[in-house]
Amino acid sequence: DADVTQTPRNRITKTGKRIMLECSQTKGHDRMYWYRQDPGLGLRLIYYSFDVKDINKGEISDGYSVSRQAQAKFSLSLESAIPNQTALYFCATSDWGRRGELFFGEGSRLTVL
Amino acid sequence: KNEVEQSPQNLTAQEGEFITINCSYSVGISALHWLQQHPGGGIVSLFMLSSGKKKHGRLIATINIQEKHSSLHITASHPRDSAVYICAVRLTGGADGLTFGKGTHLIIQP
Repeated sequence: DADVTQTPRNRITKTGKRIMLECSQTKGHDRMYWYRQDPGLGLRLIYYSFDVKDINKGEISDGYSVSRQAQAKFSLSLESAIPNQTALYFCATSDWGRRGELFFGEGSRLTVL
Repeated sequence: KNEVEQSPQNLTAQEGEFITINCSYSVGISALHWLQQHPGGGIVSLFMLSSGKKKHGRLIATINIQEKHSSLHITASHPRDSAVYICAVRLTGGADGLTFGKGTHLIIQP
């Protein structure tokens, strides 16, 4: 199994629909992150979580929500998708401060029509 | 102004050439990552640096904390090194998570 698994890998949806992107990890890391990648803008932080009770907004959290269902699972929701949320989304995990491990999922490409 | 600047944005070189990609940052950091992203999207962390130099195979990463600068070098470049290389920093005193450069698109021609 991959260290960090994202589902779905590709999704096309319509404006106004609710979308959930799921992430699970096998690394046992406490820290999990959702990033968004746009051409010319690079990666930007949406939300991050230190544990199931600790959720924090990142740079671009408006229009998104997250849930940390367990140490290994961190999902990102778009309650009402809009076209400018079309992007490549990455989940990542980190052991920050221990061995400096950082692992990314393969990405979820979302298109909002 | 971006907090993390990479240069060059694009680089095309011939197989076997020595490659250098630069990253400058304008803020205090606790660590810097070099990431590799292949076509198709997956991102892999190559190095994490907080000081000095690290080497893994043909890849070498250096950081100068005083000058707020890091370099990624590739020796004996190969077409399979073609990818986007991204510099990312963890800011001191800021929110957790990384701040990213926009990436350097490297193409190694046979």
